[in-house]
Amino acid sequence: EAGVAQSPRYKIIEKRQSVAFWCNPISGHATLYWYQQILGQGPKLLIQFQNNGVVDDSQLPKDRFSAERLKGVDSTLKIQPAKLEDSAVYLCASSLDRNQPQHFGDGTRLSIL
Amino acid sequence: QKEVEQNSGPLSVPEGAIASLNCTYSDRGSQSFFWYRQYSGKSPELIMFIYSNGDKEDGRFTAQLNKASQYVSLLIRDSQPSDSATYLCAVIRGTGFQKLVFGTGTRLLVSP
Repeated sequence: EAGVAQSPRYKIIEKRQSVAFWCNPISGHATLYWYQQILGQGPKLLIQFQNNGVVDDSQLPKDRFSAERLKGVDSTLKIQPAKLEDSAVYLCASSLDRNQPQHFGDGTRLSIL
Repeated sequence: QKEVEQNSGPLSVPEGAIASLNCTYSDRGSQSFFWYRQYSGKSPELIMFIYSNGDKEDGRFTAQLNKASQYVSLLIRDSQPSDSATYLCAVIRGTGFQKLVFGTGTRLLVSP
């Protein structure tokens, strides 16, 4: 079974630029999550999708972050404009359904200069 | 009070010993509990989940849950140097929106 796919693995941009991350969940997984993990901390949920609908985006900085999951499969997370404090690893995870164990992709390490 | 608390460590144990990792949570209504292992520079990897009070064993790993004390632990028997990693405790809280909340992790070091 293929795992959660994410790209790119690494991204370096300057502040105020924009960036986008892509995620393809495990086949058949209805729930998709985006997390932000800052060094030394646990992952923090940014947004959760159930199929193609948003069920929680309470911790997503909506003035600069956006995410979509068209057709209930792939998802993209965008940051525009980036700030220095956005430097982190962005993790995508998926699960069969809500409250089921989540499986993570390799993540995208974002560095803001 | 943090929703999920872990000692950041490092917890140092010799090879072959039992490593005991602990986690407390604040939401008494929480129902689902997970342990993830994260190697440096890698993403979290699910190693155990437990839903009911008591013990759950899988190979060298045992998860223990005590809902009355709001406490969940992970025991690693016969610890190996390859077990050296950060162990993240995660809880799906029972009140409000049911999302997975992570602790900050405990760093485990197993010395040969």
